[in-house]
Amino acid sequence: NAGVTQTPKFQVLKTGQSMTLQCAQDMNHEYMSWYRQDPGMGLRLIHYSVGAGITDQGEVPNGYNVSRSTTEDFPLRLLSAAPSQTSVYFCASSYDGQGTYGYTFGSGTRLTVV
Amino acid sequence: QKEVEQDPGPLSVPEGAIVSLNCTYSNSAFQYFMWYRQYSRKGPELLMYTYSSGNKEDGRFTAQVDKSSKYISLFIRDSQPSDSATYLCASDKAAGNKLTFGGGTRVLVKP
Repeated sequence: NAGVTQTPKFQVLKTGQSMTLQCAQDMNHEYMSWYRQDPGMGLRLIHYSVGAGITDQGEVPNGYNVSRSTTEDFPLRLLSAAPSQTSVYFCASSYDGQGTYGYTFGSGTRLTVV
Repeated sequence: QKEVEQDPGPLSVPEGAIVSLNCTYSNSAFQYFMWYRQYSRKGPELLMYTYSSGNKEDGRFTAQVDKSSKYISLFIRDSQPSDSATYLCASDKAAGNKLTFGGGTRVLVKP
């Protein structure tokens, strides 16, 4: 099992550019979410999904879009990158629909916006 | 005020000592409580998962939740240098994926 796979691992963007952070899981988890981690702030929820076709906003959604067309994939789109979006981004998945809540995180994408 | 508060540390202990970590939370709706371990430049790894109040033990790790005082604890017995990491507590109202994290406590176990 690969678990939760995030790509790319590192990215540098110029202000105003757009990009998509990829997240895929192979555990048949229903729930997926995106967090950003900043020094002293812990992890903050950006967007989450409780199943294919269903997404909702978390604590810090501005400047980000998501979609969930399949159970496996949950990409995060930065519409117009800003220096404030410099952060480490983590994707996570949980709940196999059988009563087991296994929270698994990816290894992260380190994004720098200049 | 953050919903989940955690002392950032660092907490330095000698090898073999007991590591004691704590979090407080303010949202009475939280029912699920988790502890994650995060090594430098890695993703968080789930250590312990508890529902409501009570204790849970797994090997050298013990998690305690006291909902009456809104207090979450993690104890690591016989600490090893490999336990050196940042420990994050997290809470959720339901067993979903809307975790609220504390800021993390950095732990250093010295040989």
